[in-house]
Formats: sequence, C-alpha cells, structure tokens
Amino acid sequence: GAVVSQHPSWVICKSGTSVKIECRSLDFQATTMFWYRQFPKQSLMLMATSNEGSKATYEQGVEKDKFLINHASLTLSTLTVTSAHPEDSSFYICSALTGYGAKNIQYFGAGTRLSVL
Amino acid sequence: GENVEQHPSTLSVQEGDSAVIKCTYSDSASNYFPWYKQELGKRPQLIIDIRSNVGEKKDQRIAVTLNKTAKHFSLHITETQPEDSAVYFCAASIRQAGTALIFGKGTTLSVSS
Repeated sequence: GAVVSQHPSWVICKSGTSVKIECRSLDFQATTMFWYRQFPKQSLMLMATSNEGSKATYEQGVEKDKFLINHASLTLSTLTVTSAHPEDSSFYICSALTGYGAKNIQYFGAGTRLSVL
Repeated sequence: GENVEQHPSTLSVQEGDSAVIKCTYSDSASNYFPWYKQELGKRPQLIIDIRSNVGEKKDQRIAVTLNKTAKHFSLHITETQPEDSAVYFCAASIRQAGTALIFGKGTTLSVSS
C-alpha cells in the first residue's frame, strides 16, 4: 500500500512554456501533499504544502505565481511551472501524507526531472 | 523556522561495520523525526521514524535515538552491507500536527566489501 505516482518522470521544454506535473496517491486518500525541489546531490527543499480544497501554503522564497499548485481531489495534486526558464531546471518530487495525527507518514513519488532549454 | 543539520556529509565503512549519522534540529516544537534512504535515481524511502515521546526505536539492523533535551537524533546501522550504500536524509516535522518536514542535507553512505 501507500503508493504515490508522479508523472511525467522526465520532461524537456522550451523556455517560456509551462509544464504540469501530476502527483497521485493510488491506494489512499491524501488531504495533504507536498512538493519538493531537489538539486543534484543536494537535499529536498520543501516548496509548498498542497491541501485538498484550499490554497497551497508556499515556503519562503517560493514564487506562488511561478509554481501553481492545484489539489482538486483527495488523490491528485498538480504543480505547474509557468513560463519556465533554464534556472527552473531541477528534480521536482512530491509526497503524500497518509494517516492522521501521530500516524502521519509521507510517501514519495518517483520525481520529475525538468529540463528547460 | 526549523533548521536541521546533518553530519557527516559522507561516510565510508567496511562491510560489517556500524554506521552512525547524526542530526540536530532547532525547533523544540518538532515532534516527528523520520529517516529516508534514497538510492541513486530513485525516490526517498522511509526506513525508520521516531516520535518525541520515545527515546529509541529499533528495526532489525537499524535504530534511531532521540535526545529531546539536546535536540538531536541519530541513525545507527549495524552490520552494514553493500546494499546499504545510498544517501540518507534525516528530517524534522514543522508546524502543527507535525505534517510538513524539513530535511537535512543528506549523508552519502558507502559500504565497501
């Protein structure tokens, strides 16, 4: 159980275009999902918390108009990188929260490697 | 806000030796401390976690200890095997209900046979 699917796994786009990344919880409902960014050989940086039915909570320094998050259902959150530029090239990874209260555990998707030309 | 420091950044051991990775956190309100293992090109996998009402937890060759007073927690791997080679991340919960996580910078563990 607790499988998180993330698509696409790899995307190449031209500068100025927008890219949508999907994160799905396959066998559980996730009211909360998280989006991280990971640079090569570095840690996972929390970008935002995605809450089903409400606005996402962005971490300091993350542009909410640049990284649009939509959590329209209990099993799907999407991250749209708008007007992508080469500096947005990175590994984006989502996680979904399962359980309640003291049993909260995050399960991760396989990540999306974004390359902006 | 929460800050998580992780040491060492790299760790090389011989097969069968023990490995210890240490993390400190700054927010005394943190109450959940998971450890994730990430192999090259793969997703982070939860290997063990501990909550603030427990001082130690063990799962076969892996154990985690927590010192709330000193605000540090450690991962212990005994009888290391080559397949333990990976990047290990510690994390600490932030905000209410302990949902969001702040990660340490990671430790690259290399186990040579």
